[in-house]
Amino acid sequence: QVQLVESGGRVVQPGRSLRLSCAASGFTFDNYAMHWVRQAPGKGLEWVSIIWYDGNNKYYADSVKGRFTISRDNSKNTLSLQMNSLRADDTAVYFCARETTSGSGTYYNGWYYYGLDVWGQGTTVTVSS
Amino acid sequence: SYVLTQPPSVSVAPGQTVRMTCGGSTIRSRSVHWYQQKPGQAPVLVVYDDSDRPSGIPERFSGSSSGNTATLTITRVEAGDEADYYCQVWDSGSDYPSMIFGGGTKLTVL
Repeated sequence: QVQLVESGGRVVQPGRSLRLSCAASGFTFDNYAMHWVRQAPGKGLEWVSIIWYDGNNKYYADSVKGRFTISRDNSKNTLSLQMNSLRADDTAVYFCARETTSGSGTYYNGWYYYGLDVWGQGTTVTVSS
Repeated sequence: SYVLTQPPSVSVAPGQTVRMTCGGSTIRSRSVHWYQQKPGQAPVLVVYDDSDRPSGIPERFSGSSSGNTATLTITRVEAGDEADYYCQVWDSGSDYPSMIFGGGTKLTVL
């Protein structure tokens, strides 16, 4: 079945780095754009980053730009998030998610963007000294 | 940047109909997606492109959009519908697109 499984979350000190991974299965991974979305304790959802199906385009939320890097390995069906210079406000559950290709989507600058139809169970990152 | 506004909470009795709103400037011109999130679980897409349902989502869930407000409607509400609901759009206020979520509405089934 279609599945996303995140890993790599743990307790880390402020200023340190951490790498999250997301293993995809049950679908053709390189047909889909992929995302990271996070949720701080007791808070709502916050989009973090997107990477296109081929890895050629990547976009980030302003809150993580310059500190986080999204990547993918289509040969291994794996999505990653390298997080550097971590801060206390990066503490959250991090979800990886697949962007659907169903529907009309939203058109921007030559590309269509859609909702997120498959989510992992999340991995918890705690930034604390 | 673009802002989506959702009421923090709404309550409804079982069997009734509930409507949850998502406000944003000219939201009607954007595709709105809705997610349901139960405690300790990942979000689930329940409506995409304003009013379409993914396979497996009950017909009780429907969406609409007009002017500056998108609405998620749940008819014949069940206890199992109790969850947080988030609306989401794409925005290109800067040089590249970014995904925007509303703050979420907590649905309580009385």
